[in-house]
Amino acid sequence: GESVGLHLPTLSVQEGDNSIINCAYSNSASDYFIWYKQESGKGPQFIIDIRSNMDKRQGQRVTVLLNKTVKHLSLQIAATQPGDSAVYFCAEGGGAQKLVFGQGTRLTINP
Amino acid sequence: GAVVSQHPSRVICKSGTSVKIECRSLDFQATTMFWYRQFPKKSLMLMATSNEGSKATYEQGVEKDKFLINHASLTLSTLTVTSAHPEDSSFYICSAQNGETQYFGPGTRLLVL
Repeated sequence: GESVGLHLPTLSVQEGDNSIINCAYSNSASDYFIWYKQESGKGPQFIIDIRSNMDKRQGQRVTVLLNKTVKHLSLQIAATQPGDSAVYFCAEGGGAQKLVFGQGTRLTINP
Repeated sequence: GAVVSQHPSRVICKSGTSVKIECRSLDFQATTMFWYRQFPKKSLMLMATSNEGSKATYEQGVEKDKFLINHASLTLSTLTVTSAHPEDSSFYICSAQNGETQYFGPGTRLLVL
């Protein structure tokens, strides 16, 4: 079946370094992708989204890249801070569609 | 903007009782809301889609008579876990559709003793 998944379950980076979290999707017809951040005991928080007619979108300290050729999505976080420690989920869908969530990647920021 | 609240944030109940969880969109109207369940260290599992003014659509394997959903207004959806049992203990999260994006509530931790 169709699925959205993440390459790595855990990622540790030094504070101040940049981090890249990856996601693979299998539904080539998907046209909307979202990254969420979930801190322990809280609901997912919207970070950034991108439509399939774009390759790149930037937010505050975050950049999402979409490679439709290989069906790959990534989230780049610049100058990571302790508050960036969380689980990051990519999701496929939007509009009236159900969201399909990836496995999640736990990002740990080391001091 | 796009704030979603849930109430209660935590609830402990005895086995056999029913528990109601509220999900509200505070600064926008949501025709569609979603209910998810999340187990520790796992991703979110969609339980049902809540549509204002109509019946909810349940995912395969989710018992509609056990997890009652009511979407009575454009800003409120409720999930009632009926005759709760310990295996229903989990983290329940709702989301509300705003445009193309879903915005999530803070979650409700349910513990059934």
